[in-house]
Parts: sequence; structure tokens; C-alpha cells
Amino acid sequence: GAGVSQSPSNKVTEKGKDVELRCDPISGHTALYWYRQSLGQGLEFLIYFQGNSAPDKSGLPSDRFSAERTGGSVSTLTIQRTQQEDSAVYLCASSALAGINEQFFGPGTRLTVL
Amino acid sequence: SQQGEEDPQALSIQEGENATMNCSYKTSINNLQWYRQNSGRGLVHLILIRSNEREKHSGRLRVTLDTSKKSSSLLITASRAADTASYFCATDGNSYKLIFGSGTRLLVRP
Repeated sequence: GAGVSQSPSNKVTEKGKDVELRCDPISGHTALYWYRQSLGQGLEFLIYFQGNSAPDKSGLPSDRFSAERTGGSVSTLTIQRTQQEDSAVYLCASSALAGINEQFFGPGTRLTVL
Repeated sequence: SQQGEEDPQALSIQEGENATMNCSYKTSINNLQWYRQNSGRGLVHLILIRSNEREKHSGRLRVTLDTSKKSSSLLITASRAADTASYFCATDGNSYKLIFGSGTRLLVRP
């Protein structure tokens, strides 16, 4: 079966532009996570979706970041007015149940803001 | 500050040797997981150990958990060049979020 997919795999943008990153989780997985990983660092939690519950946005670094999950499946992470410090790999993960289950990661989107 | 901190930050060994990585965390947990990452992209789940377990094996991997010391170790036996990657521990902190450490970069020299 298909794993978690993300698009685009690479995105280069100019400072001040908006970008949209897409995540397709594993079919049937109710939990979806977004993380950010700066070069040589660990993963930084951004946002979490679980079924129809209100998302946990506590990890979003600023109001320029937003995310939505339509129909409980595909998710889009939007970064408005990108800054150079937004450059990182953005990783999406899904799991069958939040908490004790393992998370399945997509290949990530490498964002470079010039 | 991060929940999980791996030690060492980098490890270089010869093929065939064993590699041991350690992880320390700060709060109580339901479980602890180890993940592997190649080339800075997607992570692959390796093993999950629950808070009431002390040791778990999977192939060449052996994970221990000491909740009294809030620490875990990952042992890779008979390492191969293909084991070269970054390894992260992740804890749930009794919630749905996984908190990742900064990782151990393992280099296995052929």
C-alpha cells in the first residue's frame, strides 16, 4: 500500500512569497502531524490533526503559518510572507491512532527561502 | 528544551562493530520510540518500547528502557555500512505529541 506522500519534494522561493506544502497521509490514518527540521537538528512539532477534533496548533512558530486538513485526509501547510529562517525540511507523518502508535513519515519537502 | 537528548551526537565505527546510542528524557512517558533518518529526509520507525518494558529486540536492534533514570539505549549489533544514518529517540510525554531529540549521527566505515 502507499505510504505518506508529500509534494513538492523541493521548493525554492523568494523571501516574502507564500508557499503551500501538501501531505497525503496513509489511507485510514486519523492522526496527522507536521514537523519542521532545520539542518542538523531534531524535529520540531508544528501542528496535529486528529479526526474531526480541533487541531493542536501549539507548535506553529508564528501567525504566518497555518494548516488545514480537508475531509480528514489531505493536509496543506501554508507559510505566508516567507522568511529566510523558514528554510527547513517540512515533514508530515500519520498514525492510525494518536499516542502509542508509531508514526509513518513522508519524505519531506525541502523549503529554501532566498 | 527538548524532551529527548541523544548521546553521543556523532559516532563513527568500523563495519562489524556494535553501535550504542543513548537517550535521556525529562517527563514521564507511555512509550519511547526510536527512528532512523537517511539523508535528512523521512524518518523510519525502528522500534517502540512501552514504559512497563525494560528490553526489546528486533533483528540486530536491542533497546533498553530505564524509567527510573529516564533513559534508553539503542544497540545495533554487527553494524553494516548501510546502517549509516541519523538515529532519533522520541517520547510521548503522556500525550499524543512525539518529542524528538536532536539525534545521533552514525557513520559505519566499510
